[in-house]
Amino acid sequence: QVQLQEWGAGLLKPSETLSLTCAVYGGSLSGSYWSWIRQPPGKALEWIGEINHRGSSTHNPSLESRATISLGTSQNQFSLSLSSVTAADTALYYCARGSLSRGTAFDYWGRGTLVTVSS
Amino acid sequence: IQLTQSPSSLSASLGDKVTVTCRASQGISSALAWYQQKPGQAPDLLIYDASTLEGGVPSRFSGSGSGTDFTLTISGLQPEDFATYYCQQFNSYPRTFGQGTKLE
Repeated sequence: QVQLQEWGAGLLKPSETLSLTCAVYGGSLSGSYWSWIRQPPGKALEWIGEINHRGSSTHNPSLESRATISLGTSQNQFSLSLSSVTAADTALYYCARGSLSRGTAFDYWGRGTLVTVSS
Repeated sequence: IQLTQSPSSLSASLGDKVTVTCRASQGISSALAWYQQKPGQAPDLLIYDASTLEGGVPSRFSGSGSGTDFTLTISGLQPEDFATYYCQQFNSYPRTFGQGTKLE
């Protein structure tokens, strides 16, 4: 059973850089796409970007190049960096697996980690 | 690709049959998924490829459509079905979600 767990700093000031890591348990990064998705309080889901096990990544242009997704320093981990945060980046951040056997629909999700941006 | 769900909220009763619609701003073939999200939880995958039921999902859930128009149907609402439902396209980048439909 694949499990994902996110962690990182939960409180940031405007202009700081958000850094989150997702660990994958019960599987490897190979053969799937690994995404970051966020959800502002009471709002809809927004896809931030994804990475594969080779380190090839794709990002949502709506974030204007502020987002970087990379492979983690430890095996079976990947990370999100989001620069110059504002209050609009306050959200619950999820990592999720895009399954190739499901057309890359997201079949496993972490529980999410809340990031608050406030001065 | 913009996804527009309707309605935004839906009031229903136990045993009802309900339908949620998702319209894509351009054709996405059958590259659409549906998720259920309960308060305080991550979304759960219900359906992918527009109509394929994820393993373990009750058969009262069904999906249909292709191109730009898709539907999620729940036949015989159960107490655990009251949640928010999202559609999501994986035809092209960036991946996008609908704005959600809250079933009350």
